[in-house]
Amino acid sequence: DGGITQSPKYLFRKEGQNVTLSCEQNLNHDAMYWYRQDPGQGLRLIYYSQIVNDFQKGDIAEGYSVSREKKESFPLTVTSAQKNPTAFYLCASSRPRQGGLTGELFFGEGSRLTVL
Amino acid sequence: GENVEQHPSTLSVQEGDSAVIKCTYSDSASNYFPWYKQELGKGPQLIIDIRSNVGEKKDQRIAVTLNKTAKHFSLHITETQPEDSAVYFCAGPNQAGTALIFGKGTTLSVSS
Repeated sequence: DGGITQSPKYLFRKEGQNVTLSCEQNLNHDAMYWYRQDPGQGLRLIYYSQIVNDFQKGDIAEGYSVSREKKESFPLTVTSAQKNPTAFYLCASSRPRQGGLTGELFFGEGSRLTVL
Repeated sequence: GENVEQHPSTLSVQEGDSAVIKCTYSDSASNYFPWYKQELGKGPQLIIDIRSNVGEKKDQRIAVTLNKTAKHFSLHITETQPEDSAVYFCAGPNQAGTALIFGKGTTLSVSS
């Protein structure tokens, strides 16, 4: 079945450690996105990529890094510089509408990161 | 950039009643307004969207209305059912139109 796969579903990390969250899609979508979800905060955009080897910062990019070496994959690294990394992380992909405008987002089931 | 504000943050209704969630946006150039539903432990899913060239769109029990002058759009759910209980998010495009900016969400509880 086509879809977005995020792994791991749950992850625990000690302070000071970097951690990488995986996101893979087989929908042949060009654009991919990372959002962070905190209670009462909605979904906040971390990074997004419209095409391979290119990505843009979202509203809360500090302390995070991404790469887009393959169309299917958009991993997110939460670095030790992220002050409050405990959160639920959602990856999404979309086929842009005409003119490169964002279309419907298809989300994965998320990764819950807890920093101990 | 775009700012999307959503109200209320929680909404409780009896089964069969209607539910309305409202969002306001700041960028008058925005032209695409989707609504997503997130069930417990899952990622959000698109339930309905509207473009700025229409004022209303319906899909069975759900509808979205858009008021471009006032810069707000609303989700209407009629004849609510317990399975409508979820978190609902509105969204609007960022300034470049290349990503979505989400509201803070509304937790809808439908009691039978």
